[in-house]
Amino acid sequence: AQRVTQPEKLLSVFKGAPVELKCNYSYSGSPELFWYVQYSRQRLQLLLRHISRESIKGFTADLNKGETSFHLKKPFAQEEDSAMYYCALYGNKLVFGAGTILRVKS
Amino acid sequence: DVKVTQSSRYLVKRTGEKVFLECVQDMDHENMFWYRQDPGLGLRLIYFSYDVKMKEKGDIPEGYSVSREKKERFSLILESASTNQTSMYLCASSYPTGAGEKLFFGSGTQLSVL
Repeated sequence: AQRVTQPEKLLSVFKGAPVELKCNYSYSGSPELFWYVQYSRQRLQLLLRHISRESIKGFTADLNKGETSFHLKKPFAQEEDSAMYYCALYGNKLVFGAGTILRVKS
Repeated sequence: DVKVTQSSRYLVKRTGEKVFLECVQDMDHENMFWYRQDPGLGLRLIYFSYDVKMKEKGDIPEGYSVSREKKERFSLILESASTNQTSMYLCASSYPTGAGEKLFFGSGTQLSVL
């Protein structure tokens, strides 16, 4: 079975502080991991995927197979980062976590 | 730019009504999906389709059906709407990449069943 766990429903940080959105997964095969983001009044969109090993809007995420984690990180949060973030796992289908609301306070 | 269009932004229906949610994509994508989005539960897959006239059940198909008569259109049907189907419904499309799915989402339909 595929499962994605995002343990935090809400993460509130101050502008300029580091951000880490946690994501743990369970899957017996070799997974593909993604982060999707939904800004206020906008549609859900892909932020980044682990196979690309890219940094988007200052965010990075590293797949740790030993810890079965794919945490999303940014060294210095900005107010425009406030959004709902979903971690997603593709095994034989795309499964999403429950989501974490990130609030960046000024 | 890929466009996934959901016909209604808000819908209010009564218990027992038959409800149609329509989704159209303009990028010739083969794959289309219906999710519902609920606070604390994230996105849950209802149905998906990898080809015309083809459909597969997702994680929560009960109470729903789908139709894909044309490649660009994927319809979600609530045969007899119930209050527990009040939710935000998201349609998405993608093309096979062989390495996971990059989904393009519609803006959603907020359905209220009274």
